[in-house]
Amino acid sequence: DSGVTQTPKHLITATGQRVTLRCSPRSGDLSVYWYQQSLDQGLQFLIHYYNGEERAKGNILERFSAQQFPDLHSELNLSSLELGDSALYFCASTKTGGVNEQFFGPGTRLTVL
Amino acid sequence: AQSVTQPDIHITVSEGASLELRCNYSYGATPYLFWYVQSPGQGLQLLLKYFSGDTLVQGIKGFEAEFKRSQSSFNLRKPSVHWSDAAEYFCAGHGGSQGNLIFGKGTKLSVKP
Repeated sequence: DSGVTQTPKHLITATGQRVTLRCSPRSGDLSVYWYQQSLDQGLQFLIHYYNGEERAKGNILERFSAQQFPDLHSELNLSSLELGDSALYFCASTKTGGVNEQFFGPGTRLTVL
Repeated sequence: AQSVTQPDIHITVSEGASLELRCNYSYGATPYLFWYVQSPGQGLQLLLKYFSGDTLVQGIKGFEAEFKRSQSSFNLRKPSVHWSDAAEYFCAGHGGSQGNLIFGKGTKLSVKP
């Protein structure tokens, strides 16, 4: 158990819908990273938050957004969902905002029908 | 651009045999490198990391990796594989100063009894 929690574990929805994925980092960790894992693209970095502020963006679509709240949990919002958004979404946390080992949550599997 | 490459998509070894999983990197400077393992339906677990110093790095579960600058490689090794090592293994490097990771495509390890 990494200490990072993600909810829900599974999510099934329809095209055009909007969903919210939630991540709670390890106790004391200030950084949250979001990654998408798909069969064709592999593991790709989406976005990074540190202590409530956005710090870096990766291959994140404009339909996707995220935020980190004062209690340090983070939410990833996916809207106007398409079939191709079906993937495993991971969050990871670290204490600092720089390069360090990241602790991954169990992921949320999103299926868009 | 920075990149991490895992040349082998799938490897099968017999239980008790030695294992080497390949990872090549392309970075302008010395990269920070990681190996993660993902069991089916699970998140990613850190096996080991290389930041600097000794080029032979010991990790958990009996794994080790050697950083070879001349070959731009960071191969993962284990002297004797157990059936429980069957999983997918990901090599990763740092993607920027904010610590996001760049992952290889992964190598799936199967273990024959």
